[in-house]
Amino acid sequence: DAKTTQPNSMESNEEEPVHLPCNHSTISGTDYIHWYRQLPSQGPEYVIHGLTSNVNNRMASLAIAEDRKSSTLILHRATLRDAAVYYCSRNTNAGKSTFGDGTTLTVKP
Amino acid sequence: DADVTQTPRNRITKTGKRIMLECSQTKGHDRMYWYRQDPGLGLQLIYYSFDVKDINKGEISDGYSVSRQAQAKFSLSLESAIPNQTALYFCATSAGTGGPRFFGQGTRLTVV
Repeated sequence: DAKTTQPNSMESNEEEPVHLPCNHSTISGTDYIHWYRQLPSQGPEYVIHGLTSNVNNRMASLAIAEDRKSSTLILHRATLRDAAVYYCSRNTNAGKSTFGDGTTLTVKP
Repeated sequence: DADVTQTPRNRITKTGKRIMLECSQTKGHDRMYWYRQDPGLGLQLIYYSFDVKDINKGEISDGYSVSRQAQAKFSLSLESAIPNQTALYFCATSAGTGGPRFFGQGTRLTVV
């Protein structure tokens, strides 16, 4: 069965980089990798996505392993507002998606 | 105003009752999705729709049904609610199957 796994929690100091890992060992060649974050009482918010190459946007960077079985969300300088639950997911062309259980990121001042 | 709007935001219902959760979007996206979230877990896909005439089951469709009334409206129904359907429900849209999902604020459903 398809499975996406993430660590339950991570901690970071403010203004330091954060690397959030995700394993998606059953990913197929055409599946996209997405990352979202969720604050309490809110819906998930899109962060970044990619297929094979590393991606950068104003929020974060996404590093995808060469075999695509893992990815890492990189927050270059964590702020207190980055404290949230971060989800990775793999998304098939057929429309299905498999989410991990999320990593709770704590940012310490 | 939110691009993806869900109503109601909170609902308490009794076992055996029929309930409908509604979702509307102003993003102009073709694709719409319903997800369920249980405490401490990720999101599970219930149903998804690529256009008005296309409905597909997700990984946990049993006990649920959907209706795509228009490109901008996608509703989720529980025909006979049971307590283990107590959860957070999210509607989402995307412009393509590989593209990012844009989520609503969620509906907290409690079945007593």
